[in-house]
Amino acid sequence: QSALTQPPSASGSPGQSVTISCTGTSSDVGGYNYVSWYQLHPGKAPKLMIYEVSIRPSGVPDRFSGSKSGNTASLTISGLQAEDEADYYCSSYAGSNNFVFGTGTKVTVL
Amino acid sequence: QLQLQESGPGLVKPSETLSLTCTVSGGSISSSSYFWGWIRQPPGKGLEWIGSIYNSGSTYFNPSLKTRVTISVDTSKNQFSLKLSSVTAADTAVYYCAREDGYNYDYWGQGTLVTVSS
Repeated sequence: QSALTQPPSASGSPGQSVTISCTGTSSDVGGYNYVSWYQLHPGKAPKLMIYEVSIRPSGVPDRFSGSKSGNTASLTISGLQAEDEADYYCSSYAGSNNFVFGTGTKVTVL
Repeated sequence: QLQLQESGPGLVKPSETLSLTCTVSGGSISSSSYFWGWIRQPPGKGLEWIGSIYNSGSTYFNPSLKTRVTISVDTSKNQFSLKLSSVTAADTAVYYCAREDGYNYDYWGQGTLVTVSS
């Protein structure tokens, strides 16, 4: 199974919106509504931001939203804040009890 | 609040076996219907799913690592463990343990760096 494709970087000024794409195949992203997104800050435990494509866990700000179209999922951060600067990874169920992660995107707040 | 903490040697020699343990606190592995997983991140690279285990001992592995990976659970200690055999420099990574809730990982440890070097 190959890693899902994400852009290496994305950026925006405070208050702006940023959208990160996550492209897979019909065997993973396109085949299941089990895409999740994780936020990684250096030295901290990764944090689940979105699961099952668009559901926000309790405590995640509503400026984070997820969607999917075909083989591509997206994470949008609206009203970008300084604390949103981090690495973001998507993940998808890939069938047969397998999971695959994305290549990761570094979000910079300008 | 559920907490997970990885522990184990930070340095492993090439061809030897990497062994890590994840200790779960704030909840019981045996009384829950979750899988428990391992994920790693090589320096400068992305996350890679390694595998997961249920409290009954059922396991699932990344096909690319399957022949070298063993995951076990010790419900009496509220721990689960990872063994990766025949390691090379390519196995140098931060290793995370996490709770698998359905098809996502909702609680993670902070990770532990394991370096493979002689």
